[in-house]
Amino acid sequence: SQQGEEDPQALSIQEGENATMNCSYKTSINNLQWYRQNSGRGLVHLILIRSNEREKHSGRLRVTLDTSKKSSSLLITASRAADTASYFCATVVRGIDKIIFGKGTRLHILP
Amino acid sequence: NAGVTQTPKFRVLKTGQSMTLLCAQDMNHEYMYWYRQDPGMGLRLIHYSVGEGTTAKGEVPDGYNVSRLKKQNFLLGLESAAPSQTSVYFCASSELSLPVGTEAFFGQGTRLTVV
Repeated sequence: SQQGEEDPQALSIQEGENATMNCSYKTSINNLQWYRQNSGRGLVHLILIRSNEREKHSGRLRVTLDTSKKSSSLLITASRAADTASYFCATVVRGIDKIIFGKGTRLHILP
Repeated sequence: NAGVTQTPKFRVLKTGQSMTLLCAQDMNHEYMYWYRQDPGMGLRLIHYSVGEGTTAKGEVPDGYNVSRLKKQNFLLGLESAAPSQTSVYFCASSELSLPVGTEAFFGQGTRLTVV
């Protein structure tokens, strides 16, 4: 079964609006990462948040982590057409030396 | 700087044929991974390596073998291809053990179809 599950599976918003995606996971983690995948391409790392951190920012990205609820959210502010992509959360499970991905959220920015 | 390069980009196999997918990284990373991506399934880890000469099983290792004879290369082999192995395969590498907290760098993917 998947360690991480993103919600929603798909999201369409108007350009300029904010997009929020959520990720829930099952077991204790060392860190959680978010990746973006453009259609037909490989994944690109966006941001990493460690288990002892609660919030992190990178440009228009804001990530939060709630270890008590085993959940994370990715906020993209002032969305642009170029943000259209699939977004994946990935967890590094404590004690296991590998990274596990969720199924992803497909984000579509409407002009 | 090429990063992570996968060869080939596309391949069509007949059931029962064998092939090897090559992943090469030029970042001197210790850790390398092979994932497969199927619609609605996200990325699933097939095998990974924590250094030259080492390999370990991931979530879906059956039907695949791997080798890491050189630090920069990680090979994924299909001995007898099956239609269920039709997928997009991604290789990734990272500098340090992921629990320490470093990002993974991905190749552009290999689209494999088994008929």
